[in-house]
Amino acid sequence: DVKVTQSSRYLVKRTGEKVFLECVQDMDHENMFWYRQDPGLGLRLIYFSYDVKMKEKGDIPEGYSVSREKKERFSLILESASTNQTSMYLCASSSGQGAFQPQHFGDGTRLSIL
Amino acid sequence: SQQGEEDPQALSIQEGENATMNCSYKTSINNLQWYRQNSGRGLVHLILIRSNEREKHSGRLRVTLDTSKKSSSLLITASRAADTASYFCATGDPNFGNEKLTFGTGTRLTIIP
Repeated sequence: DVKVTQSSRYLVKRTGEKVFLECVQDMDHENMFWYRQDPGLGLRLIYFSYDVKMKEKGDIPEGYSVSREKKERFSLILESASTNQTSMYLCASSSGQGAFQPQHFGDGTRLSIL
Repeated sequence: SQQGEEDPQALSIQEGENATMNCSYKTSINNLQWYRQNSGRGLVHLILIRSNEREKHSGRLRVTLDTSKKSSSLLITASRAADTASYFCATGDPNFGNEKLTFGTGTRLTIIP
C-alpha cells in the first residue's frame, strides 16, 4: 500500500515564525500536492510538484512556498506564519497525470498559529 | 475555484439503508473521482469514473456519471456504521492540463446504528 507520511499530526506555532511541514511518500510517485482544508471551503490546492525541483502554484499560494529536493519528499513552508493560516494541511501523491490517477493522502497536520 | 459541489451537505440515515450523494460540476472533465474522509484523517480514494463511462461499481459503491447534466452520484448500499464519514467528488481541471484535481466541499454522512 502507498504510504504518505506527514511529519506532525498537530503543531502549534506563533505569528511570524517560519514553519516547515514535511511530507514523505514511499511509492516513487511523480506528483505531490499540498492542500489546506477549512470548514465550508473544502480542500484548496496550495502548490503541487510533478518532478524533483519542479513546482506549480495552486489556487492559494500566497504566503506559502515549497521545496522538492528529492522525489519522495515535498515540504511546505510558511515564510512568516499568520493566524489566518491556522488550518488542516493535507499532503498527497499520485503517479502519472494527477487528474487521471487516484491521489493518496497523508493523515494531515492540524496547524494552529497563535 | 470550486469545480464540484456535493449535495446534500449533510445526510443522516439508519444503518442498513442506502445513501445517495450527488455532485455537480461546471466545466468539461476527463474523469471524476470520489473520496472518503473519516474524522481527523486524510482522504481515501474510492472510485474513478471516466467521462466515457456511465456507471461503475466497487463492492457496495455505485457511481453514475451524466456528462450532459454535468453531474455524478455516489450510492452506498446497505450502509454500515463504519460508512460514517465525509465524501468528496473531485474533477480534473482542464485549465491546468489535467495535472490537478479540484475538490468539492463534501457531504457529511452519518449512519445511525
